[in-house]
Amino acid sequence: EDQVTQSPEALRLQEGESSSLNCSYTVSGLRGLFWYRQDPGKGPEFLFTLYSAGEEKEKERLKATLTKKESFLHITAPKPEDSATYLCAVQAAGSRLTFGEGTQLTVNP
Amino acid sequence: DAGVIQSPRHEVTEMGQEVTLRCKPISGHNSLFWYRQTMMRGLELLIYFNNNVPIDDSGMPEDRFSAKMPNASFSTLKIQPSEPRDSAVYFCASSSRTQFRTSGKLRGTDTQYFGPGTRLTVL
Repeated sequence: EDQVTQSPEALRLQEGESSSLNCSYTVSGLRGLFWYRQDPGKGPEFLFTLYSAGEEKEKERLKATLTKKESFLHITAPKPEDSATYLCAVQAAGSRLTFGEGTQLTVNP
Repeated sequence: DAGVIQSPRHEVTEMGQEVTLRCKPISGHNSLFWYRQTMMRGLELLIYFNNNVPIDDSGMPEDRFSAKMPNASFSTLKIQPSEPRDSAVYFCASSSRTQFRTSGKLRGTDTQYFGPGTRLTVL
């Protein structure tokens, strides 16, 4: 059974204080690892897909990396508008995604 | 594109009543997913369709839940009878398979795009 564990559950940062979110996974035959951002009262918003160990992708202050067992979402010099819940999901065979519980990020001004 | 459209956005009903949630996927997408999100259990896949055919309904909690996709642009999730423990946010998502070549390998991606959700409260 595919499993995804995200840590920490919650993270508070000061504006400009860089940090990383972790996503550990167990899956048979990874086809893709996805990162989503979810704001309160909204649906998850797609950020990145990573396919193989060593791959990296960047978008503004976010950078996602992937190893064979985990993925990191690095946030550089975050701003208050980066506050959200960040979800990680893995895709093995078929089209279904298995999501982690998410990390709730708060960036204080 | 308007994205995935869900209706209603909020639904409050009494225990025992029938509830129908609706979803219009992104035009051209051939896969559709229904999820439920709660604080306790996070985001759970209930059922998904490929080309209007149900592929995996193993996440449907019980017989009170049913889903249909009569055509490529519309799906419903029905709960009958509803119970207080069904209270949650229900999301619909859609995707289409695209293939591309990277680092010499042919890959397929099924990025799912989510709707705004329906917040269901069963009293």
